[in-house]
Amino acid sequence: NAGVTQTPKFRVLKTGQSMTLLCAQDMNHEYMYWYRQDPGMGLRLIHYSVGEGTTAKGEVPDGYNVSRLKKQNFLLGLESAAPSQTSVYFCASSGRTGLGAFFGQGTRLTVV
Amino acid sequence: GENVEQHPSTLSVQEGDSAVIKCTYSDSASNYFPWYKQELGKRPQLIIDIRSNVGEKKDQRIAVTLNKTAKHFSLHITETQPEDSAVYFCAASPYDYKLSFGAGTTVTVRA
Repeated sequence: NAGVTQTPKFRVLKTGQSMTLLCAQDMNHEYMYWYRQDPGMGLRLIHYSVGEGTTAKGEVPDGYNVSRLKKQNFLLGLESAAPSQTSVYFCASSGRTGLGAFFGQGTRLTVV
Repeated sequence: GENVEQHPSTLSVQEGDSAVIKCTYSDSASNYFPWYKQELGKRPQLIIDIRSNVGEKKDQRIAVTLNKTAKHFSLHITETQPEDSAVYFCAASPYDYKLSFGAGTTVTVRA
């Protein structure tokens, strides 16, 4: 049982480049999330999804887009990367059983 | 939206002593309050949670208390051990999803 898996684990981008982060969960969870973690700021919600085909904005959505075409996958896109998007990105998922959110291993993104 | 404040930001304790982390939240509709532990370079992992119909919950050396009237909740770690050194995050939500996190507390247990 893999839980929540993110790819890639590390990435370096140049300013203006684009990329997609992939999150996959095998727990049949309804809800999926993308958070960014910056020093001293905790985990801030970028976008989330309450089900296949649905997405919604979180606290810090600007500069990011998401898609959830399949229940098990949640993609985070950066169309034109900026140095301010240098961060550690975590995907998470949770189900209706209310047992809390399970996190992926994180993606360390550096934009130069 | 929900705003969660967490204190202190850093906490150093002697091994064997207790550690207490406090969080306040703004949305009176919040009814789910989990705590996560994140070791260096690892993912956050759920260690304990509490719902608004319960005032206290214990799991071995950790416990969480909730005061809905004052809108604050706390994590208590007793008999701290070196492996308790980590960053701890509180969170709150009025649903079972869309958690809002505090900024985190770095706990260091001194041997």
